[in-house]
Amino acid sequence: ETGVTQSPTHLIKTRGQQVTLRCSSQSGHNTVSWYQQALGQGPQFIFQYYREEENGRGNFPPRFSGLQFPNYSSELNVNALELDDSALYLCASSLVSGTGKGYTFGSGTRLTVV
Amino acid sequence: QQQVKQSPQSLIVQKGGISIINCAYENTAFDYFPWYQQFPGKGPALLIAIRPDVSEKKEGRFTISFNKSAKQFSLHIMDSQPGDSATYFCAASKGYSTLTFGKGTMLLVSP
Repeated sequence: ETGVTQSPTHLIKTRGQQVTLRCSSQSGHNTVSWYQQALGQGPQFIFQYYREEENGRGNFPPRFSGLQFPNYSSELNVNALELDDSALYLCASSLVSGTGKGYTFGSGTRLTVV
Repeated sequence: QQQVKQSPQSLIVQKGGISIINCAYENTAFDYFPWYQQFPGKGPALLIAIRPDVSEKKEGRFTISFNKSAKQFSLHIMDSQPGDSATYFCAASKGYSTLTFGKGTMLLVSP
């Protein structure tokens, strides 16, 4: 059974640029959730995808968008990067949509915006 | 509005001691309370979880105590070991919503 895989592990971008982060869900999981974890803070929910549709969104602006593919993998896209977007971005997969139960987290992508 | 408040922010415990981390929540609709452990460079991993219909759950050296009337829950790590040194997050969810996390507690267990 494979876990959740995220890529890249680290990324440095310039303010105003766009970035795409990728996540492969755990085998058998059909739901992917994305979280932003700022330094010294707990993870904050960005959005969740189930059956290739957005299935819940936290308090993040529209420049944060995502996709889920038929194989349940997912992408997080952030446009017009701001310095405050610097954070660890975590992907979590689960089997039941909409619930925080049964999450498996990846190791995250550390994004630095300069 | 922070819905889950966690304390302390950091904690140093001697090897063999008891580590205690506390959380308080505001939303009485929350029905699932997990604790996550996070090592540097890794994502959070589920440690133990409890539902509000029980007051305590124990798994090995880890125990959750839950006080529904006070809207508080805590994690107790018995016989703390240096390998337990990590950041611990409490969280909560309601129904089919996703997780709301506390800000985390950095635990250091000294040898």
